[in-house]
Amino acid sequence: QLQLQESGPGLVKPSGTLSLTCSVSGGSVSSASYYWGWVRQPPGKGLEWIGSIYYSGGTYYNPSLDSRVTISVDTSRNQFSLRLTSVTAADTAIYYCARPVIPVTGPSWFDPWGQGTLVTVSS
Amino acid sequence: SYELTQPPSVSVSPGQTARITCSGDILSKEYAHWYQMKPGQAPVLVIFQDTERPSGIPDRFSGYSSGTAVTLTISGVQAEDEADYYCQSGASSATYVFGTGTKVTV
Repeated sequence: QLQLQESGPGLVKPSGTLSLTCSVSGGSVSSASYYWGWVRQPPGKGLEWIGSIYYSGGTYYNPSLDSRVTISVDTSRNQFSLRLTSVTAADTAIYYCARPVIPVTGPSWFDPWGQGTLVTVSS
Repeated sequence: SYELTQPPSVSVSPGQTARITCSGDILSKEYAHWYQMKPGQAPVLVIFQDTERPSGIPDRFSGYSSGTAVTLTISGVQAEDEADYYCQSGASSATYVFGTGTKVTV
């Protein structure tokens, strides 16, 4: 059974860089069948898709975050990572890693998800 | 940009039926999916491609699509169904949008 687990600092200073890792168990990040993604939820607000990456490295980012976000895959550690630069208080959120399931037609859905990790941007 | 709109809250008594709508122009062209979110837990996919139920999801969860709206129905609501529910669809190629979210109170 595929399981995902986020890890990383819970506090980041304004203008700094947010870095999170998602560890994958029960499957391989290098599988040709899989994409991998990140979603976030600011306190008291809704979900926002951040971006997705294919095992070969192809990436897709939310246009609103495109200039600040990088998602990468580390096949040796069976992990994928999120890097968000120039953070502000607006980037405070619970960050989830999730697997986009790619259907033959239509938009992907996310299954499974990690439990999420709260990242606070504050000095 | 694409938007998906949901009612902020739905209140239902145990054993009754809860219906949550998600509306947006993109839904006339694309499938929608639904997630259940409880505090401190991993979100759970409860419906995909408008009407399909993943294995392990109780059959009291069902989905329906019509025009620019989709509906998640929870029949015979149980206390454990109290959660936030979000719809999700696709925007352009490989990009995704989530609904505004609905808090279901039992």
